[in-house]
Amino acid sequence: GAVVSQHPSRVICKSGTSVKIECRSLDFQATTMFWYRQFPKKSLMLMATSNEGSKATYEQGVEKDKFLINHASLTLSTLTVTSAHPEDSSFYICSARAGGPETDTQYFGPGTRLTVL
Amino acid sequence: KQEVTQIPAALSVPEGENLVLNCSFTDSAIYNLQWFRQDPGKGLTSLLLIQSSQREQTSGRLNASLDKSSGRSTLYIAASQPGDSATYLCAVRGNQFYFGTGTSLTVIP
Repeated sequence: GAVVSQHPSRVICKSGTSVKIECRSLDFQATTMFWYRQFPKKSLMLMATSNEGSKATYEQGVEKDKFLINHASLTLSTLTVTSAHPEDSSFYICSARAGGPETDTQYFGPGTRLTVL
Repeated sequence: KQEVTQIPAALSVPEGENLVLNCSFTDSAIYNLQWFRQDPGKGLTSLLLIQSSQREQTSGRLNASLDKSSGRSTLYIAASQPGDSATYLCAVRGNQFYFGTGTSLTVIP
């Protein structure tokens, strides 16, 4: 099956710094990429949806100025957590899809564990 | 808004038992339903994808069914093994994925 990678897998940073997480589709072109966050023992919550070359669409309650999403190519999307605070500590998972929601499978990355001290 | 519920939240069984995980959703207007496995601290592994027009899918010891009209899906695991221990998530696809909170499965050797 298709592979989606994330980098880094784990990051620890100080409060107030910015952190960038990369998501790559390795063997297919992802017209749409998704970013999720997952708190301990909770399910995944969609943060934003991005289409290549367009601005991301953020879910209600997600601060777009804090979570900057760039989808500059069909194989790469980045999530930048700006001025990170301890409450931003979470597991961030990206997902990529080649076509529309009707039939195409969404492939998930391995996740990035962010810890903000 | 779509709500996805999984029951039970946790399950512990002895090795070799057959088991059923349940998923229910409130809005039947879905494109498909997908079952995932998540190991601790890891991402998601897709297990089975059922299109809205399908009733079930099988892969090895796994069988997933879908009853869209009643908003239910089940994941059947036959002859469970310790390696099956993980959290199992179901997700329904509308314009986005809606995830359940998962069932944490422990298979005891």
